[in-house]
Amino acid sequence: QQQVKQSPQSLIVQKGGISIINCAYENTAFDYFPWYQQFPGKGPALLIAIRPDVSEKKEGRFTISFNKSAKQFSLHIMDSQPGDSATYFCAGTKTGANNLFFGTGTRLTVIP
Amino acid sequence: DSGVTQTPKHLITATGQRVTLRCSPRSGDLSVYWYQQSLDQGLQFLIQYYNGEERAKGNILERFSAQQFPDLHSELNLSSLELGDSALYFCASSVGASGRETQYFGPGTRLLVL
Repeated sequence: QQQVKQSPQSLIVQKGGISIINCAYENTAFDYFPWYQQFPGKGPALLIAIRPDVSEKKEGRFTISFNKSAKQFSLHIMDSQPGDSATYFCAGTKTGANNLFFGTGTRLTVIP
Repeated sequence: DSGVTQTPKHLITATGQRVTLRCSPRSGDLSVYWYQQSLDQGLQFLIQYYNGEERAKGNILERFSAQQFPDLHSELNLSSLELGDSALYFCASSVGASGRETQYFGPGTRLLVL
């Protein structure tokens, strides 16, 4: 059972465009939602994270939007660059849990 | 560089064989997580150890086992290997045991079962 569902599976965006990746979760107890970025040949690395007490968090060109009532959250990459080409994983977990529940990943390609 | 090391980088073996993957966490990190990444399955959580004790179990097959040693390094043992076990295996570490802690991933071990 996939506790966090992620879409799309792959995404192609022109340089300078906005990349949007969506995630949905089932467990209403989830209270921490990180995004991990994985470059080819590397392990994932934490990119940005949000807690449900805020509706948006921004770090540079990366923004997480959170909709608690819909149990959805999304990653927006503004002014997408070829260097952003990577696989992005959303995840969720709850207080007291020992592990993260990852989405299936989105492969982003930014074309020049 | 995350500070997490994994050996070997690549492993090629035959069906039915047994292999051991090794992970050294970042200095100071007590938790180790193991993940399997295949093309169509994303990141599948296998198991977590914290300070030598098993803390959480995911989709780990009975043919797989893991342990964390007193020096905090961890090993993932895969036995009776099948073609479908071919995947990237990642180890990650964090300071504490909570799922809310940042996990630092190693570079992975690519396993190919022929």
